[in-house]
Amino acid sequence: GIQVEQSPPDLILQEGANSTLRCNFSDSVNNLQWFHQNPWGQLINLFYIPSGTKQNGRLSATTVATERYSLLYISSSQTTDSGVYFCAVEPGGGSEKLVFGKGTKLTVNP
Amino acid sequence: SQTIHQWPATLVQPVGSPLSLECTVEGTSNPNLYWYRQAAGRGLQLLFYSVGIGQISSEVPQNLSASRPQDRQFILSSKKLLLSDSGFYLCAWSVSLAGGGELFFGEGSRLTVL
Repeated sequence: GIQVEQSPPDLILQEGANSTLRCNFSDSVNNLQWFHQNPWGQLINLFYIPSGTKQNGRLSATTVATERYSLLYISSSQTTDSGVYFCAVEPGGGSEKLVFGKGTKLTVNP
Repeated sequence: SQTIHQWPATLVQPVGSPLSLECTVEGTSNPNLYWYRQAAGRGLQLLFYSVGIGQISSEVPQNLSASRPQDRQFILSSKKLLLSDSGFYLCAWSVSLAGGGELFFGEGSRLTVL
């Protein structure tokens, strides 16, 4: 099956710093989403981005489908950005299921 | 607007006892429904998904089963829990992923098997 690899596995930042999280996938995908899991376990959608670039406030994401990777940018990080960021993909062929990477755990210190 | 609810939020069960986790979606019809498990560590493992009533796909052979008795209701069950069933269980819904749908998660149910 498709492989989804996220890097780095852990990231520690000072408040105000910028960061880039990466997601590599091993095959073509129909659907790619980024999620944030807060310290209480709630998973929140950040972006639906199978290709192209999107921005939402301090967060932006870019997916280069032909090269099989996606990037999530966090600018001017805040302590509330702490948590685990997941990339998830739906393999091509219409499987109707998302395969998740193992996540990047982000800690933003004040 | 659409909402998803799952319960109970937390439970502690002895080994060998049964399990029933429930999930309901409001504000949409014929959603895809999913059960994921997040064990110690970070990864989310897809357990079951359903694209319609009576249609259940199992991803991992295990001690659990799923049912979809109504269009917007998804139930995760076990007849006899094992220690390895402990974890954080998440229900989710979407419209067609292939059609560009996004996945939305419930609040999660934290299960401890003793």
